[in-house]
Amino acid sequence: EDKVVQSPLSLVVHEGDTVTLNCSYEVTNFRSLLWYKQEKKAPTFLFMLTSSGIEKKSGRLSSILDKKELFSILNITATQTGDSAVYLCAVERGSNYQLIWGAGTKLIIKP
Amino acid sequence: NAGVTQTPKFRVLKTGQSMTLLCAQDMNHEYMYWYRQDPGMGLRLIHYSVGEGTTAKGEVPDGYNVSRLKKQNFLLGLESAAPSQTSVYFCASRQAGVGQPQHFGDGTRLSIL
Repeated sequence: EDKVVQSPLSLVVHEGDTVTLNCSYEVTNFRSLLWYKQEKKAPTFLFMLTSSGIEKKSGRLSSILDKKELFSILNITATQTGDSAVYLCAVERGSNYQLIWGAGTKLIIKP
Repeated sequence: NAGVTQTPKFRVLKTGQSMTLLCAQDMNHEYMYWYRQDPGMGLRLIHYSVGEGTTAKGEVPDGYNVSRLKKQNFLLGLESAAPSQTSVYFCASRQAGVGQPQHFGDGTRLSIL
């Protein structure tokens, strides 16, 4: 059975800290791995990763994929209170681009 | 830019009632998806569509029906609502082809009493 597991489930840090969120997967017909940020409403897209070892970067956020070990990490440096959210990892599979989702990591940034 | 719009945003139903959730996208996307999100769980796929006039079952289709009569609209129906269907429902759409992310609506919070 396909599955995506995120860790930790929740994390509380102080502003300015660096955090690393983990996502491991076992999914057949893998196409890509995606990271989303969810605040109160819609998940918003952060990154899509298809190749191992190539870092994607956007401001203070970065992510990398390891297709041999079947995991990805999302790093956030110099965290701000606005980074508080649930971060969702999903793996895209198959010809219809279905997404298999992890349960998310709830990140709380304290001032 | 409207993107993906879901209506209604909130709804309370009694057990056994029926209703339809509407998802509309203005990005000319081929693929559309309905998910439910429950506390402590990831999003779970209910039904999806790969184009106008097509629908397919996802991971948790029981108790739901869908229709895609127009490319821009994807409707999710509950024929006889049950308390287990209390959830937040998200619609997403995606352009065809590799390397395209799914874009989400703001969700519908549905409570079944």
